[in-house]
Amino acid sequence: EVQLVESGGGLIQPGGSLRLACAASGFTVSSNYMSWVRQAPGKGLEWLSLSYSGGGTYYADSVKGRFTISRDNSKNTLYLQMDSLRAEDTAVYYCTRGVLNWGQGTLVTVSS
Amino acid sequence: EIVLTQSPGTLSLSPGERATLSCRASQSVNNNYLAWCQQKPGQAPRLLIYGASSRATGIPDRFSGSGSETDFTLTISRLEPEDFAVYYCQQYGGSSWTFGQGTKVEIK
Repeated sequence: EVQLVESGGGLIQPGGSLRLACAASGFTVSSNYMSWVRQAPGKGLEWLSLSYSGGGTYYADSVKGRFTISRDNSKNTLYLQMDSLRAEDTAVYYCTRGVLNWGQGTLVTVSS
Repeated sequence: EIVLTQSPGTLSLSPGERATLSCRASQSVNNNYLAWCQQKPGQAPRLLIYGASSRATGIPDRFSGSGSETDFTLTISRLEPEDFAVYYCQQYGGSSWTFGQGTKVEIK
């Protein structure tokens, strides 16, 4: 059974950094497209970043230069390093296996 | 960036009725890489349709997807009580993915 479990969310002050993790089971992260998507409170879905199995990484303009996607194949885990966080980054963050599977999400709150 | 526009914003229907949701892209979606997902309150989204018309594993056949290039449709043939939710289209045809703003299907 495919499972994606996000962790690392919490309350962080503006300007701070946070690293989210997405532990995968039931498939191999290294051979799949993996992405991060977020949803601000009461809002729609926003695609953030994509990691191709071949190694390419891509970002939405809203997070380019501040967020970094990476994977640790030995741990079968996807990461999202988030720097220079802003209040508008407050959202539930989901990792996905392509478009097929979604994690349950982790809440990030950026506030002083 | 491909912009996806969903219509209507809200659809008010009764159980048993047919729902037709539209998703229009600002430019052609590569290889018809268009997905539909469903989200209920407090839950993560769930994939319904990928490749514009292929149902995901375990999705009932009352859900169907159609369309190509810039115009796509999700049809729910007969609404069940558990189908009242928000539906998003998503294009994944390149290196920049995007979502539509969502259509809420509510009980009339």
